[in-house]
Amino acid sequence: AQSVSQHNHHVILSEAASLELGCNYSYGGTVNLFWYVQYPGQHLQLLLKYFSGDPLVKGIKGFEAEFIKSKFSFNLRKPSVQWSDTAEYFCAVNARSNYQLIWGAGTKLIIKP
Amino acid sequence: DAGVIQSPRHEVTEMGQEVTLRCKPISGHDYLFWYRQTMMRGLELLIYFNNNVPIDDSGMPEDRFSAKMPNASFSTLKIQPSEPRDSAVYFCASSSLDLAKNIQYFGAGTRLSVL
Repeated sequence: AQSVSQHNHHVILSEAASLELGCNYSYGGTVNLFWYVQYPGQHLQLLLKYFSGDPLVKGIKGFEAEFIKSKFSFNLRKPSVQWSDTAEYFCAVNARSNYQLIWGAGTKLIIKP
Repeated sequence: DAGVIQSPRHEVTEMGQEVTLRCKPISGHDYLFWYRQTMMRGLELLIYFNNNVPIDDSGMPEDRFSAKMPNASFSTLKIQPSEPRDSAVYFCASSSLDLAKNIQYFGAGTRLSVL
């Protein structure tokens, strides 16, 4: 069965620190990959997505993610975080042959001002 | 488009009462998803529909939960009878393979408190 693993449940950083959130999935076929963000008290919003092409994907608010097929990974990065990046981040995957999204458990990111 | 619209935004009820949550998907989207989010269990998929037909309801916790989609623009999630452990935020999301390439768009959620 497909699964998505997010390495850290909680991450605390200071402003201007660099960020990398890990995401690994288990599925041997072709996949679509997503990162969603949920700001405090709000609904989930799409941060970035990978369908095909350049494995380095740029999203909103300075975020980017790199798809490494050989490692089954889709890690989220940001070179310099801001206090407003405090949120919960979810990685999600779906096999091209299956419409259902498989969600990671989420990583709560707290940025200290 | 106004996005996915959920109502009510907040619901407070007493144990044993029936609760109905409502969702209007984005026009043209043919997939609709109901999720539940709690601190303990995170984000859980309860059920999803394609073209108004339930495809996978394996995430529905028990028979007290039921979901319907009578037409392309409306879905309900009903809990009868409600219990305190049902307290959570319930999200509805919609998508379309053609229009949205499987990107799910979420509503603002309904925060349910069962006393």
